[in-house]
Amino acid sequence: AQSVTQPDIHITVSEGASLELRCNYSYGATPYLFWYVQSPGQGLQLLLKYFSGDTLVQGIKGFEAEFKRSQSSFNLRKPSVHWSDAAEYFCAVGAPGFQKLVFGTGTRLLVSP
Amino acid sequence: EAGVTQFPSHSVIEKGQTVTLRCDPISGHDNLYWYRRVMGKEIKFLLHFVKESKQDESGMPNNRFLAERTGGTYSTLKVQPAELEDSGVYFCASRPGLAGYNEQFFGPGTRLTVL
Repeated sequence: AQSVTQPDIHITVSEGASLELRCNYSYGATPYLFWYVQSPGQGLQLLLKYFSGDTLVQGIKGFEAEFKRSQSSFNLRKPSVHWSDAAEYFCAVGAPGFQKLVFGTGTRLLVSP
Repeated sequence: EAGVTQFPSHSVIEKGQTVTLRCDPISGHDNLYWYRRVMGKEIKFLLHFVKESKQDESGMPNNRFLAERTGGTYSTLKVQPAELEDSGVYFCASRPGLAGYNEQFFGPGTRLTVL
């Protein structure tokens, strides 16, 4: 069965500092991987996705993620965090033909001045 | 273009009562999903409609939950009777019916509190 682990429940980063949010997945074949963000009062917004090809994926809002098959990881990064990035971030995995997404527990990002 | 909308945004009910949540997907999206997040836990899949048919309802917790999608447009999720453990945020998502694995577009969620 598919599963996703986000080991960090909360992370606090200073504004302007770099960010890395961790995501590990369990799946037997090459998965489809996603990062979503939820800001207060908003729905989940897709930041980026990986289906195949280049393992470094660029997303919206300056985010990127790198798929590492050997580590079963899909970590999210941003070189310089802005106060507006404070939100909850979810990593998710999907499989061809199954349609549904399996999510991690989420990481809440706090941005300090 | 309007996004996925959900109503109500919040609902507080007593144990044993009935609640109906509504989701309006993006117009033209054949696929509609329901997910739930219990506090502090992961977002979990409940079920998937393709048009008006249930494609996968493997995530529905029990028979107190009934989902419908009449006419393949909006969907409702009824909980009857509600229990304390049903509290959480219920998300709806939709996706076009195109081949391949497309993005799911999520609504803002309905926060359900059962007292």
